[in-house]
Amino acid sequence: GDSVTQMEGPVTLSEEAFLTINCTYTATGYPSLFWYVQYPGEGLQLLLKATKADDKGSNKGFEATYRKETTSFHLEKGSVQVSDSAVYFCALTTVRGGSYIPTFGRGTSLIVHP
Amino acid sequence: EADIYQTPRYLVIGTGKKITLECSQTMGHDKMYWYQQDPGMELHLIHYSYGVNSTEKGDLSSESTVSRIRTEHFPLTLESARPSHTSQYLCASSESDSNPTDTQYFGPGTRLTVL
Repeated sequence: GDSVTQMEGPVTLSEEAFLTINCTYTATGYPSLFWYVQYPGEGLQLLLKATKADDKGSNKGFEATYRKETTSFHLEKGSVQVSDSAVYFCALTTVRGGSYIPTFGRGTSLIVHP
Repeated sequence: EADIYQTPRYLVIGTGKKITLECSQTMGHDKMYWYQQDPGMELHLIHYSYGVNSTEKGDLSSESTVSRIRTEHFPLTLESARPSHTSQYLCASSESDSNPTDTQYFGPGTRLTVL
């Protein structure tokens, strides 16, 4: 079945460092791809998404490009802040029983030190 | 900002008690979901609903049950809580099940501890 694989965490960085969180997927057809973020004590919220190959999603300085040839959707940010400390989930939507059901990766914890 | 609410936020309860976790959304979304989030942060889909009077089991087998009598309300019930049910429970909704680009909106979660 369809699946998402994320790099293991935690990822620990100093403030202003460059961030990459790797995400690869396995899917039949052409899934939509998402990054969600979960801040401590909260539910998940959408960070960005891309719906077709070569699309770039961006929000709050984060970017990810839908790479069909490498089945990847890596999350990047040029300069992280302490406030970016959270758990990041890569996800795709896949057809199941005639409707679209989301499939999430295991999450990658990011810790940013001052 | 998402308008999806969960109560209680925290619950500590003894073994054998019946509990209901509440989830409500004011966005008029047809699709609603329940996830169980383990300490390692992985999300497991346990129930979902396409709309009123529709419920489906998710990927992770769960002893909980759900109902969908009103569009905005999707409660989860455990008839007899056990320590193995200790977890974070997240409720979510999305506008439809026919659009692959739809965003999921999550509530803040209920942290359940069964002693």
